Amino acid sequence: QITLKESGPTLVKPTQTLTLTCTFSGFSLTTTGVGVGWIRQAPGKALEWLAIIYSDDVARYSPSLWGRVTITKDTSKNQVVLTMTSMDPADTATYYCARNPSIIGLFDYWGQGALVSVSS
Amino acid sequence: QSILTQPPSASGTPGQSVTLSCSGSSSNIGSNSVYWYQHLPGTAPKLLIYRTDQRPSGVPDRFSGSKSGTSASLAITGLRSEDEAVYYCASWDDSLTGSWVFGGGAKLTVL
Repeated sequence: QITLKESGPTLVKPTQTLTLTCTFSGFSLTTTGVGVGWIRQAPGKALEWLAIIYSDDVARYSPSLWGRVTITKDTSKNQVVLTMTSMDPADTATYYCARNPSIIGLFDYWGQGALVSVSS
Repeated sequence: QSILTQPPSASGTPGQSVTLSCSGSSSNIGSNSVYWYQHLPGTAPKLLIYRTDQRPSGVPDRFSGSKSGTSASLAITGLRSEDEAVYYCASWDDSLTGSWVFGGGAKLTVL
């Protein structure tokens, strides 16, 4: 059974750095062609892709967030970590992590999401 | 404003067929696969269609995907009340450094 779960703070202040952890089970990030990515959805808005990291350590980022976002993985812990700097109220959103197997090409299994609010 | 354009809403009655459209460009839909997700409030998005016209196991064959040129479509036949949700299209965009892009979402109402 494949599961993913996001964890991290529910509230951050403007200008602070957000760190979210995706803990997954049922698959391995050492398997060739597998990736884990982050997607967010601001209230009333569409889904927005943020970043993805693959089993070969290749990481890709959304051009709109370039320089603010870093994605890393810890295969021994089955975790992927997203770091986002200079948080702004416009970053208030539900943050999802999801698996991306190459055979599918995009995200098949998703976590339930973690709501992060940015407010002073 | 999303790179992929979806009409924001659609509706149908039970048993009817509806088609949701997704318009892009040569750098995304025109040259890459299209994906469709169903999203209910408070839940994780569900993959309905991958690689433009493939259904994951467990997705009913009432759902089908296609594309022509720089536009893609999700067809739903035999509409059911549980199909009421927001539907998103997605594709890889080759411009700049490349990125995954989603449409703005289409709210499907089953009347």
